[in-house]
Amino acid sequence: EVQLVESGGGLVQPGGSLRLSCAASEFTFSTHWMSWVRQAPGKGLEWVANIKQDGGDKSYVDSVKGRFTISRDNAKNSLYLQMNSLRAEDTAIYYCVRGGPRGSFDYWGQGTLVTVSS
Amino acid sequence: EIVLTQSPGTLSLSPGERATLYCRASQSVSSSYLAWYQQKPGQAPRLLIYGASSRATGIPDRFSGSGSGTDFTLTISRLEPEDFAVYYCQQYGSSVPYTFGQGTKLEIK
Repeated sequence: EVQLVESGGGLVQPGGSLRLSCAASEFTFSTHWMSWVRQAPGKGLEWVANIKQDGGDKSYVDSVKGRFTISRDNAKNSLYLQMNSLRAEDTAIYYCVRGGPRGSFDYWGQGTLVTVSS
Repeated sequence: EIVLTQSPGTLSLSPGERATLYCRASQSVSSSYLAWYQQKPGQAPRLLIYGASSRATGIPDRFSGSGSGTDFTLTISRLEPEDFAVYYCQQYGSSVPYTFGQGTKLEIK
């Protein structure tokens, strides 16, 4: 069974940085687009960023451009999200998700909570 | 950016009844790149439907999707107790960003 396990969340002050990691297993990681999707407390889902199989193509939602960087290490079956200049509105559960058919997200991790507060 | 609007916001039904959830896009969704997800409290979302009408692996056949262009529907033919949850639609057009609807809460009447 496909597994995606996030780590690295926590409490950080506004303006601070955090790096999220996602360990993937039980599938060929290097053949899939990967994304981060977040969910603010009690709110809906928001796609944050994605990265192509070879890491050569990356995209971001406008609200995080210039602050967040998505990356991957196919040798380690791992996905990352470097988050800088964090704001209160970045507070959310961050999910690591696998790109599925027709632009869907077919597997999700359990999520890691990021709280930005002083 | 394509905006997805889901209706109703909350749907109150009883087990055994039929549920119909709607998702309307602000622009045509290309090649039916429209998906539906189910999310239960404290859990990650689960993919139900992709390509507007194809069931994901392991999804019971009481779940079905339909629609094209700007109007899409998720139907649950006969509600089971475990189906009460929040449902989201999501689209991917010819370019990012991916967008989600605001969700429909399906609650027990």
